[in-house]
Amino acid sequence: GQNIDQPTEMTATEGAIVQINCTYQTSGFNGLFWYQQHAGEAPTFLSYNVLDGLEEKGRFSSFLSRSKGYSYLLLKELQMKDSASYLCAVRDGDNAGNMLTFGGGTRLMVKP
Amino acid sequence: SAVISQKPSRDICQRGTSLTIQCQVDSQVTMMFWYRQQPGQSLTLIATANQGSEATYESGFVIDKFPISRPNLTFSTLTVSNMSPEDSSIYLCSAQGIGSANTIYFGEGSWLTVV
Repeated sequence: GQNIDQPTEMTATEGAIVQINCTYQTSGFNGLFWYQQHAGEAPTFLSYNVLDGLEEKGRFSSFLSRSKGYSYLLLKELQMKDSASYLCAVRDGDNAGNMLTFGGGTRLMVKP
Repeated sequence: SAVISQKPSRDICQRGTSLTIQCQVDSQVTMMFWYRQQPGQSLTLIATANQGSEATYESGFVIDKFPISRPNLTFSTLTVSNMSPEDSSIYLCSAQGIGSANTIYFGEGSWLTVV
């Protein structure tokens, strides 16, 4: 089975930095994804980690520690448009398919 | 990246009826999946759509309620059968592209309201 935990809500200020944490317990592991989902829209891909370390992509970075079952998404220079839900998802390496199991999502509110 | 089109994008359905959602990908993909996202919830996998064979369903989802087809590499359908208000949800098609092993993309979703 899979268990993926992330905070339900976070609030941050425009221009600041925010870190969204995700912990997971899975029977297998074949990669961790972060998605952004604005209200009323489908999730959009942000990042993918399969090896330990930090992946940087513009204002967004994602970190993975497989030994700790831990990842975080780091958002810098926050903008109002970053207000959205951020979904952590793990791909289970034990299954023949490559489906994702999602955490409950973290709703981020960016305030002026 | 793959572009995924779903239709209908939104519908209001009568209790007891069935609705088929179509998903078209603009390039050949290896895996296709159907997810459900109930109001205020995260995404839950319904099934993996297998080309030319029966879909693989997750626990809690059955073929009689959610029949799925995938006649080729770029197209799949999900039917929500004998709908009840509890089926009101967003249904999302997802695909993993050939040569893009690390990325899984989502369609824009089909918003169904059952009355």
